[in-house]
Amino acid sequence: GDSVTQMEGPVTLSEEAFLTINCTYTATGYPSLFWYVQYPGEGLQLLLKATKADDKGSNKGFEATYRKETTSFHLEKGSVQVSDSAVYFCALSPDSNYQLIWGAGTKLIIKP
Amino acid sequence: DGGITQSPKYLFRKEGQNVTLSCEQNLNHDAMYWYRQDPGQGLRLIYYSQIVNDFQKGDIAEGYSVSREKKESFPLTVTSAQKNPTAFYLCASSIPLDSGGPNTDTQYFGPGTRLTVL
Repeated sequence: GDSVTQMEGPVTLSEEAFLTINCTYTATGYPSLFWYVQYPGEGLQLLLKATKADDKGSNKGFEATYRKETTSFHLEKGSVQVSDSAVYFCALSPDSNYQLIWGAGTKLIIKP
Repeated sequence: DGGITQSPKYLFRKEGQNVTLSCEQNLNHDAMYWYRQDPGQGLRLIYYSQIVNDFQKGDIAEGYSVSREKKESFPLTVTSAQKNPTAFYLCASSIPLDSGGPNTDTQYFGPGTRLTVL
């Protein structure tokens, strides 16, 4: 079945460092891909999405490119801030229904 | 402002009691979802509803029940049959795929309810 695998956390970086959080997926067809962010004690917020191969989603300095050849959707940011500390979830939407398939989440800790 | 509200934010329950978590949305979305999140873990789907008066079990429906009498509301009842109910509960909504448009598969989340069984 469809699945999403994220790199295990926590990921700890210093402020202004470059961030990559890996996400790979297994799916049939052409799913949409998402990154959601969850700040402590809150619900999830959509960070970015991509709906087809080679699409790049971007928001708040974060980017991710839909790579069908490597079945990946890695999240990147050039210079992280303390305020980026959160849990990041990768997810996919199979094109057969509208349930989301979720990764386990990656906790990001940014130190000043 | 359009959005999803969940109440209460914190809820305490004694063992053996049923408790109902509220979820309301004014986004005019047809589909609604309930997820459970345990510390340090991802989201697990409890129930979802594509349309009023219809709902389906997710991956961990045992010990939970839902109703969908109105488009705007999708309450979740945690029953005494749920053996380990302490968790963070998240409600979400979306536009169904067959509605067309660019955001039909995007889920929008409420702020969550933290349930603790005493």
